[in-house]
Amino acid sequence: ETGVTQTPRHLVMGMTNKKSLKCEQHLGHNAMYWYKQSAKKPLELMFVYNFKEQTENNSVPSRFSPECPNSSHLFLHLHTLQPEDSALYLCASSQARSGLAGRTDTQYFGPGTRLTVL
Amino acid sequence: GIQVEQSPPDLILQEGANSTLRCNFSDSVNNLQWFHQNPWGQLINLFYIPSGTKQNGRLSATTVATERYSLLYISSSQTTDSGVYFCAVMEYGNKLVFGAGTILRVKS
Repeated sequence: ETGVTQTPRHLVMGMTNKKSLKCEQHLGHNAMYWYKQSAKKPLELMFVYNFKEQTENNSVPSRFSPECPNSSHLFLHLHTLQPEDSALYLCASSQARSGLAGRTDTQYFGPGTRLTVL
Repeated sequence: GIQVEQSPPDLILQEGANSTLRCNFSDSVNNLQWFHQNPWGQLINLFYIPSGTKQNGRLSATTVATERYSLLYISSSQTTDSGVYFCAVMEYGNKLVFGAGTILRVKS
C-alpha cells in the first residue's frame, strides 16, 4: 500500500444507521485531515489532527465524530445523518513542521468515500 | 477568512491546445498548491508553489505572491488532462482553503 487509503470507497446508509469511515496514511506524516466535497461546492475542511490531537473543528455538526488513535489512522464516525450530508469525504495527510508558525508541507489526499444518505 | 477565486470556471479545449488557469487569493499565504481531481474523485498533487515557477512535463505553474495570484499552464493538452483543477492556499496553521475549481474538458 502506498500513499493515503480510504475505506469504504462507497457507502449507502439510512438516517438512523451508524457507520465509520477509515483513513490510513503510509507516508510517515504527523497531520491528518477530513474534508467534505458536496456537489457544486468547494472542498470544505472538517477536522485537523496534528500529532494525534484535534486542532481544528470547522463548525462541523456533532453527528460527525472524528477519531485519531495514532498518527497513521483517522476515522470519521457517522450517526443520524441527513440526506444533505451525502457527499464525497476525503482524507489527507501532511508533514507539519513544528516551530515554523505551523507551516506544513504538501497535503496528500486519499481516493475518498462517496457517501449517500437515504 | 481568505478568499480564493479561480478562473475560468469551465474550459473546453481541443486536444493539443494550450491553456492558462488562474487563481487569485485575497491575503498573503505561505503555501499554495494546485491539484487535479480526476473523474473518480481522486485529488492528485500537481504543484506545491508558494512562490516562483515550477515545471513538470507539460504542466508548469507560477505564483506571484506579492500580487496574490498563481497561474497553471497546460501545454499540448490531452484527453487525460480532463477533470477539475483546484487551487488551494494555506490560511493559517495547516488549514487549506480551496477555490471552486476549473472544470476542464479536452476533446479528441
